Amino acid sequence: GENVEQHPSTLSVQEGDSAVIKCTYSDSASNYFPWYKQELGKRPQLIIDIRSNVGEKKDQRIAVTLNKTAKHFSLHITETQPEDSAVYFCAASKGTGNYGQNFVFGPGTRLSVLP
Amino acid sequence: EAQVTQNPRYLITVTGKKLTVTCSQNMNHEYMSWYRQDPGLGLRQIYYSMNVEVTDKGDVPEGYKVSRKEKRNFPLILESPSPNQTSLYFCASSLTQGPYEQYFGPGTRLTVT
Repeated sequence: GENVEQHPSTLSVQEGDSAVIKCTYSDSASNYFPWYKQELGKRPQLIIDIRSNVGEKKDQRIAVTLNKTAKHFSLHITETQPEDSAVYFCAASKGTGNYGQNFVFGPGTRLSVLP
Repeated sequence: EAQVTQNPRYLITVTGKKLTVTCSQNMNHEYMSWYRQDPGLGLRQIYYSMNVEVTDKGDVPEGYKVSRKEKRNFPLILESPSPNQTSLYFCASSLTQGPYEQYFGPGTRLTVT
């Protein structure tokens, strides 16, 4: 089945710097790759997603890139702010078509933005 | 307000005492799923449902049961809880035809002693 690895497990950056989190997946049939943010004590929430027919997607300070050949995708956060501190989870769909919503999550990255 | 609700939010129980965690959504979503979250392991899927009366195992289904008799509800049943089921549990829902954003409930912190 699908397996998703995520690195690093913890990341500390200075406010204003950029942060990059990388994920790899195993199932070449995966076609949907969301990123979720979980603040302390809260529920996970979608922050950005990308489909396999797109190489890059950007939303303000957040961007995601996808390399299907290498089976890896990355989250980029620019101009980090203290409110970006959270645990970030990448995920990959377990298959194609109607199962695009069935995910395998990575183990998470705890991002700390230091003032 | 569109939301996913879970009850109870916190539960401490003893080994072997059957329990049910309820999950309900008001967004008319076809897809619902249960996850458990453990430190360093991320969110692991327990069971999911594509629609009423359609359920299937996720990655860690042992020791759990689910049912989907109504579209809005997806209860998680632990027939005989054990200490290794101590975890934080999340219910989530989404559309099946996209967009695929999953909306999570607030979580249920379960402790089995």
